[in-house]
Order: sequence, then structure tokens, then C-alpha cells
Amino acid sequence: ETGVTQSPTHLIKTRGQQVTLRCSSQSGHNTVSWYQQALGQGPQFIFQYYREEENGRGNFPPRFSGLQFPNYSSELNVNALELDDSALYLCASSLGREVYGYTFGSGTRLTVV
Amino acid sequence: DQQVKQNSPSLSVQEGRISILNCDYTNSMFDYFLWYKKYPAEGPTFLISISSIKDKNEDGRFTVFLNKSAKHLSLHIVPSQPGDSAVYFCAASAFVSGGGADGLTFGKGTHLIIQP
Repeated sequence: ETGVTQSPTHLIKTRGQQVTLRCSSQSGHNTVSWYQQALGQGPQFIFQYYREEENGRGNFPPRFSGLQFPNYSSELNVNALELDDSALYLCASSLGREVYGYTFGSGTRLTVV
Repeated sequence: DQQVKQNSPSLSVQEGRISILNCDYTNSMFDYFLWYKKYPAEGPTFLISISSIKDKNEDGRFTVFLNKSAKHLSLHIVPSQPGDSAVYFCAASAFVSGGGADGLTFGKGTHLIIQP
């Protein structure tokens, strides 16, 4: 059973650029959630996808968008990058929308300069 | 406005002793609480959880206590071992009422250091 894998592990982008982060769900999981963890903070909920539809969203602007594919893998897209977007982005997969079944990936460290 | 608070950024405990990590919350809609452990360069790993209908849940060396009236929960680790050194996050969800659509709300974490 493979866990949650995220790519790339590290990324440096320039302010104003766009970025796409990728996540492969754990086998058998149909729900993906994305979190942003800024330095010294806890993870903050961005949004959740259940069976390819956005199921819930945290307090993030529309320039944060996502997709979930038929194989339940997912992408997080961020447009018009700002310096404050520098953070660790975590993907978690689960079976169904239950929050207690999360398996987290190791994250993508995004640095915006 | 932080809805989940972990007021101790770090905690140092001697090996073999009890580690107690605390967490407070403000949102009365939260009905499910979880603790996660995180090592550097890894994602958070689920440790233990508790539903608001209970006041205690045990799993081996780990026990979580929930005091709903005080909106407070704590994680007890007995006995503490060197491998327990990590950052511990408290998280909450309005799962029953919200269906989990708001995801998890995390605290800032407590860095637990187990001294040999």
C-alpha cells in the first residue's frame, strides 16, 4: 500500500508567477485535502475534493484553486504568487470526507522570492 | 482569531516521565479532536483522537482527555521515550455538524523534547 506522495519536494518561484503542486492519494482513498503550513504555524485548511468536486474551502482567495482527477490524484494551483505564499503545502488523502482518516504527504516547500 | 490554541511552544521532559501537552479551543461547534505528531521533513502522522461524547481515550502509552466545559484537551504520554521527540499538533473539527467540510483547524504545535 503506497502512501501519499507529493511533488516537487521543494520549489522556488518569483512573485507574480503561477505554480502547480501535485499529490497522489493513498491507494483506495477518494478524498484529497490541501493545507498550507507557514513557518511557526499549524497547517491551515485550503480546500477539500471529494470524487472530483470541491467539497469544502477554507479562508483562502480564489487564486488558490484545485483539481481532482478520476484516479483521485490532485493538483493545487496558485496564481499571482505573493511573498506570503511561502510555506509548506501539505496534501492529505482519506476514504470519504471523514477527517479522522487523513494520511498526510511529506509536503512541498514553496519559497516565493 | 485562533480557534485552537497550544500555548506552550516547547516542552522538555525527562525520559521515562509523563509528558502532558495541552490544547484549548474556542469554537463550541467542534465535536471531534485529534492529535498529530510531526517529525522534520515528514507530514503529520495521526496519533489519537476523541469524540466530544467521550472524556477520555487511551491507546497504549497515549491518553487524550477532553474537558468540554473548559474547552480544553490534553495529551498524556507515559512513559516518555526518546522517539517521542517531535512537534505535536492539536486539531479540531466540526465533523458531526459540518460533515468535515471545513477540514481540520490546527493549533501552532508544541515541540516536545525528551531528555535522556
